[in-house]
Order: sequence, then structure tokens, then C-alpha cells
Amino acid sequence: EAQVTQNPRYLITVTGKKLTVTCSQNMNHEYMSWYRQDPGLGLRQIYYSMNVEVTDKGDVPEGYKVSRKEKRNFPLILESPSPNQTSLYFCASSRGTGFDTQYFGPGTRLTVL
Amino acid sequence: AQSVTQLGSHVSVSEGALVLLRCNYSSSVPPYLFWYVQYPNQGLQLLLKYTSAATLVKGINGFEAEFKKSETSFHLTKPSAHMSDAAEYFCAVSDGTYKYIFGTGTRLKVLA
Repeated sequence: EAQVTQNPRYLITVTGKKLTVTCSQNMNHEYMSWYRQDPGLGLRQIYYSMNVEVTDKGDVPEGYKVSRKEKRNFPLILESPSPNQTSLYFCASSRGTGFDTQYFGPGTRLTVL
Repeated sequence: AQSVTQLGSHVSVSEGALVLLRCNYSSSVPPYLFWYVQYPNQGLQLLLKYTSAATLVKGINGFEAEFKKSETSFHLTKPSAHMSDAAEYFCAVSDGTYKYIFGTGTRLKVLA
């Protein structure tokens, strides 16, 4: 089954404790992206990757890091989480450029205390 | 710079009534426009997209949207609402590169 998976689905952590949210897709997609969803703000793009070893900032990259060492994986790293990063995070992938359909993962709900 | 405005964060309709969810965009280049739906506790899935082939776009589950360049709009409609349509709907715009801008979402409630 074609899908985007994220782990963990739920995470509660404390300020400053490094964490990684994994994202994996099995569709051989070139493009992957991370979003955060907050009430009243919709989805905002954090980082995206056009291919292996090629990443760029979205609209809200502060406090996040990403890497793309393999085509299928695109982890999101929070080196020193803060409470304002409490949010619902989605990973998405697509074949290529901006007119292709994005396929979204199920989401990761992160709470930073 | 691109932007998307969704009018109405909450919309309620009766079952069987017309659904109209509004989306206006701003783009300095011909845009690609999308509507995604998010059911409770799930990720987003594509309803339909406009990629300049036809101004009236038909999507899944009976939804359609019309691209109106003069009005910079891409409103989503469905002739007859069903209880299963209750969800949050997001309009999004892309300029064909790798950046996407999403609207703030409209939560649709369908009344029995």
C-alpha cells in the first residue's frame, strides 16, 4: 500500500530535550515536506526537500532541522524543543514539482512542557 | 508573494443542501490551486486540483471547484451535502516550485 508513515504519532516531552520525528514514504517520491498545523493558522511549511541531500526552508524553519540522506526518509529534528513548538506535525511527499499531489502522513501530535 | 484566504472558519449546512466553501488567492504567477480535506484524526487528502487544463475541476466525492482568474477565486462546491462530508477543508496554492501556501481551513458541519 502506498503510504507516508510518521513516528511517533504522539509525543510529550520537556523543554530542551532533543527529539526526532521520523517520516518515510514508499512511493519513490522525489519531494518531501514538513508542515505544522495550529488552530486558526492552517498548515505552515517548515522545510522541504527536492531530492536526496537537497533541502530548503519553508515559512517557519526556526528551531527545526531536517536531513535527507535517503530518498524514502525525511526526519524532522528539534534540537532544543520549546513550548511554542507544541503542534500537530505532518509529513508529505509528492512526485515532483508544485502541481503534483501531495500525500500526507497521519500526523504527529507533539506537546512540549 | 503568494497567499490564500479562506472566508469562514466554520460553515454549517443541512444534509442535502448546497456546500460552498470560499477560497481567494494571490499570486504573481499563474497559480496551481488545490483543495484538501482532513477528516478527524487523519492526515490531509486531495479533493481536487487546478493545473490550468480546465477552469472547472471535478474532484472526489462529488466536489468541484471553478477557477476564476478575474475574481482570484477557487471556491469549492457540492450540490448536496452528506453527513460524511463533515471535515476540515484546506485551500492551497503553489507557484509551481516547491513551496506551498495553505489557507487557515474551513470546518464544515453537516446538520441532520
